[in-house]
Amino acid sequence: AQSVTQPDIHITVSEGASLELRCNYSYGATPYLFWYVQSPGQGLQLLLKYFSGDTLVQGIKGFEAEFKRSQSSFNLRKPSVHWSDAAEYFCAVGPRGGRRALTFGSGTRLQVQP
Amino acid sequence: GAVVSQHPSWVICKSGTSVKIECRSLDFQATTMFWYRQFPKQSLMLMATSNEGSKATYEQGVEKDKFLINHASLTLSTLTVTSAHPEDSSFYICSARDDWREVSTDTQYFGPGTRLTVL
Repeated sequence: AQSVTQPDIHITVSEGASLELRCNYSYGATPYLFWYVQSPGQGLQLLLKYFSGDTLVQGIKGFEAEFKRSQSSFNLRKPSVHWSDAAEYFCAVGPRGGRRALTFGSGTRLQVQP
Repeated sequence: GAVVSQHPSWVICKSGTSVKIECRSLDFQATTMFWYRQFPKQSLMLMATSNEGSKATYEQGVEKDKFLINHASLTLSTLTVTSAHPEDSSFYICSARDDWREVSTDTQYFGPGTRLTVL
């Protein structure tokens, strides 16, 4: 069965500092990989996704993620964090083909200090 | 871009009553929609897969008779929580898969969620 691990429950960074959120997945083949962001009481917004090709994926709001097959990882990065980035971040995997749901990690709550 | 709406955004009801939550894909067709539940400070857990014109597929442990799903059209799926109890209080989020756009990549678009509080 597929699974997603986000080892960091809570991360605090200073505004302007760089950010890396970790995500590891377990899946029999290469899945589709996603990062979503959720503000309190809100739904999920897609930040970026990986399907194939270039392993470095650019997303919205200045985020990027790198797929590393050898490490089964899909870490999210941002060079300079803004206070508005404070939110919950979810990594998710989805099987290729078929109309099936995503499997989500437990989430990482990002706090940004001024 | 693809937009998914949910209605209502929040609802408070008395124990024993039923509540219906709507999920609509506003600018695309979605044969398949998904219903997730999210408890406070937890991740999203899939409840069921809703397929237009056929019965929903429920995840293990989710009561079919309690959480009724109807996917009557290509743009609307409804989740009805029957005889709701306080333990059903949660954040319910739907997602929809665009039948035509990015079909090869299974991209899903999420609604804003519905906060259900059962007193």
